[in-house]
Amino acid sequence: KNEVEQSPQNLTAQEGEFITINCSYSVGISALHWLQQHPGGGIVSLFMLSSGKKKHGRLIATINIQEKHSSLHITASHPRDSAVYICAVGGSQGNLIFGKGTKLSVKP
Amino acid sequence: KAGVTQTPRYLIKTRGQQVTLSCSPISGHRSVSWYQQTPGQGLQFLFEYFSETQRNKGNFPGRFSGRQFSNSRSEMNVSTLELGDSALYLCASSRGWDTQYFGPGTRLTVL
Repeated sequence: KNEVEQSPQNLTAQEGEFITINCSYSVGISALHWLQQHPGGGIVSLFMLSSGKKKHGRLIATINIQEKHSSLHITASHPRDSAVYICAVGGSQGNLIFGKGTKLSVKP
Repeated sequence: KAGVTQTPRYLIKTRGQQVTLSCSPISGHRSVSWYQQTPGQGLQFLFEYFSETQRNKGNFPGRFSGRQFSNSRSEMNVSTLELGDSALYLCASSRGWDTQYFGPGTRLTVL
């Protein structure tokens, strides 16, 4: 069993829809990261959180430490949100452990 | 503020050769982490350097090594290349305890 599980693996949405991507982890963590990777490889760090909720524009990230679960929400999705979204947790050894990613495609 | 830069962006090598990749962090950042991304394994942590010292290390063989210089620039070296080392190698910089900023990556192909 992977230490970081994401769901769904693939997601297709229509422009304007509300999107949720989930991340569950089984290890103790110092922080959880949400990353966005566009075709071509560039990675952007969206959020780093250790508790509660963070919001940036149309993106919202939440984490429940007791349940070892985090969600990334995108409101009013747009085709430019099409990317792979990756959840990563900061492990006890200071490394990052990554999920396999969720490939999101938003259709106009 | 300039972002994280990596050189070269693309590299083709043959089995048995060695390769050195370079990463220049954002000015003021003292931490540089290296990651390998492959279609099969996804993103995996290689190692992290902070103020010229290796602070953390992932589960990779000794053929993978790195170092960090006093100006925080970092290099990663892979010796005796294998076909399975073909990957996108990403570095990321941070102040050491917060958000990481990723470079564009170096795509290494081993023939």
